[in-house]
Amino acid sequence: QSVLTQPPSASGTPGQRVTISCSGSNSNIGSNAVNWYQQLPGTAPKLLMYTNNQRPSGVPDRFSGSKSGTSASLAISGLQSEDEADYYCAAWDDSLNGVVFGGGTKVTAL
Amino acid sequence: QVQLVQSGSELKKPGASVKVSCKASGYTFSSDAMNWVRQAPGQGLEWMGWINTHTGNPTYAQGFTGRFVFSLDTSVSTAYLQISSLKAADTAVYYCATVAGSWTFQRWGQGTLVTVSS
Repeated sequence: QSVLTQPPSASGTPGQRVTISCSGSNSNIGSNAVNWYQQLPGTAPKLLMYTNNQRPSGVPDRFSGSKSGTSASLAISGLQSEDEADYYCAAWDDSLNGVVFGGGTKVTAL
Repeated sequence: QVQLVQSGSELKKPGASVKVSCKASGYTFSSDAMNWVRQAPGQGLEWMGWINTHTGNPTYAQGFTGRFVFSLDTSVSTAYLQISSLKAADTAVYYCATVAGSWTFQRWGQGTLVTVSS
């Protein structure tokens, strides 16, 4: 049972907008920045979004992040087949004194 | 270029120990803390803790105390994860990752699969 809650799966046709939610609490998302990681099949995770809505260099601008209260979301506008991956949200948790991850969302391009 | 290169896959028997290495290059090793993340087969990511690459002081997440030890060899820019008294439940891919501001895992190693089986 992950501290941050994500839907296990999300899908869309190529070109569609897909949104992934990440729900937490006051001790994590409510008071700390949210980061997102993309894990392509068989590879290590890669930083996709940091401090809620900042894209690292090289990440396409079709990816965007937002945070409101104790929830965050990642949007992929214009889904592409190469976006098929697992996506994880993460944040520092003040009560647990550690980093907590969501359970991950598998994105499929139909 | 900046990279973290981990040691190869390990197959161990229950009760044995394993030591996973993570060699950093392309940046100043002591500038970023080193974290360890576990991913059991078919499961999500789990933060194990981190080690201060300046002082060598480790911090372990809940559930990773006792059998897990983080260490460094700064002379070769390498971090280590040692797991003792291995159990089948320790079977997982272990990743090292450097952390930037806001606990952002900026760089990741390629992962090391540790399989515990009799």
